[in-house]
Amino acid sequence: EPEVTQTPSHQVTQMGQEVILRCVPISNHLYFYWYRQILGQKVEFLVSFYNNEISEKSEIFDDQFSVERPDGSNFTLKIRSTKLEDSAMYFCASSEAGQGFGYTFGSGTRLTVV
Amino acid sequence: AQSVTQPDIHITVSEGASLELRCNYSYGATPYLFWYVQSPGQGLQLLLKYFSGDTLVQGIKGFEAEFKRSQSSFNLRKPSVHWSDAAEYFCAVSGSSNTGKLIFGQGTTLQVKP
Repeated sequence: EPEVTQTPSHQVTQMGQEVILRCVPISNHLYFYWYRQILGQKVEFLVSFYNNEISEKSEIFDDQFSVERPDGSNFTLKIRSTKLEDSAMYFCASSEAGQGFGYTFGSGTRLTVV
Repeated sequence: AQSVTQPDIHITVSEGASLELRCNYSYGATPYLFWYVQSPGQGLQLLLKYFSGDTLVQGIKGFEAEFKRSQSSFNLRKPSVHWSDAAEYFCAVSGSSNTGKLIFGQGTTLQVKP
């Protein structure tokens, strides 16, 4: 069964440093997403990406965040200057189509900011 | 605004017993509804989804859910729980966003007693 692959599985970074979380979505999927889950809290939508541009973003997704699809396979989330409160599990997901279709989620990257 | 409420944060059932996890949503039109399961350290796996039609939907691992418009509910059920079902369960809704953004509930942690 096709999978969404995320790397690394765990990343520790110092406050103020830039991090890039990487994802390889399923190859024929067109919609890409990032979600995050702070420990003990619900999964929250960050951003959706379609046709090489952001299609929707949440209030959480401020100027510190950016997404990119640098080539035909990777989808990245960059946090420019990490804060302690950015510590969370970050999930990438992809979908063959948008509205109403179930996604395939990756296993997540646990980001710890110290 | 769309929202999802899972009233039970933690549920414990005995192996072999039946299970029902509650989910209530807030959305003006007919939503798309999903249940996901997350095992420790793992990503989110889709159990089942409701788009339209038959209000009783079958999913993987013996789970089913029933959409009740009058109660704004989408409860997850399983007739006989196995120890391997111990995990966290998330209800999610997608509706107003053309991008397929999911709004998640807080999650219910299921513990299974031998």
